[in-house]
Amino acid sequence: AQTVTQSQPEMSVQEAETVTLSCTYDTSESDYYLFWYKQPPSRQMILVIRQEAYKQQNATENRFSVNFQKAAKSFSLKISDSQLGDAAMYFCASGPNFGNEKLTFGTGTRLTIIP
Amino acid sequence: GAVVSQHPSWVICKSGTSVKIECRSLDFQATTMFWYRQFPKQSLMLMATSNEGSKATYEQGVEKDKFLINHASLTLSTLTVTSAHPEDSSFYICSVSGRETQYFGPGTRLLVL
Repeated sequence: AQTVTQSQPEMSVQEAETVTLSCTYDTSESDYYLFWYKQPPSRQMILVIRQEAYKQQNATENRFSVNFQKAAKSFSLKISDSQLGDAAMYFCASGPNFGNEKLTFGTGTRLTIIP
Repeated sequence: GAVVSQHPSWVICKSGTSVKIECRSLDFQATTMFWYRQFPKQSLMLMATSNEGSKATYEQGVEKDKFLINHASLTLSTLTVTSAHPEDSSFYICSVSGRETQYFGPGTRLLVL
């Protein structure tokens, strides 16, 4: 069984500043993947970044990076140089194997960008 | 990544009628698709896993006779909400199982009056 917890229902950040979204998880799987998805007002789910649990190196995608602490079961998302287009709901998710099997989502964090 | 479409994008129906939602994988052979449900301001909840050519696997608490899933080809899965009631009003999202992640459709908003 897997659980994903996002303790910040809402966050806000000034444009061009940096913000970190928190996520903790629990899983019985030995191999698993972690994801951050973005859901803008259009409600289309967009993959932001993924992390293979067996890799110690934190994943990065341009302005997005994660802080993966496997022992603590923590997987936070850092957004640098925040832009207005980053405003969205952000969901943390966990899945077994390659992550192409069923995903368990957190409750989401609504990110507001202040101009 | 795979391109996934859903049709219709939104639908309004009367209570007691059935509604069919299509999920198409446009450029990827999808042996496995997933159906999620999202209530307003809430997270995505997995309803069922749809496997091409076989019966869908439903999550606990999801009525399989209420939410009929058919995955007859590698590019199409359908979700039929039978005898819809107002409490079935929700946002339904499908996804395609890809090589290393899932690719999501744009969702279908269902409103049952």
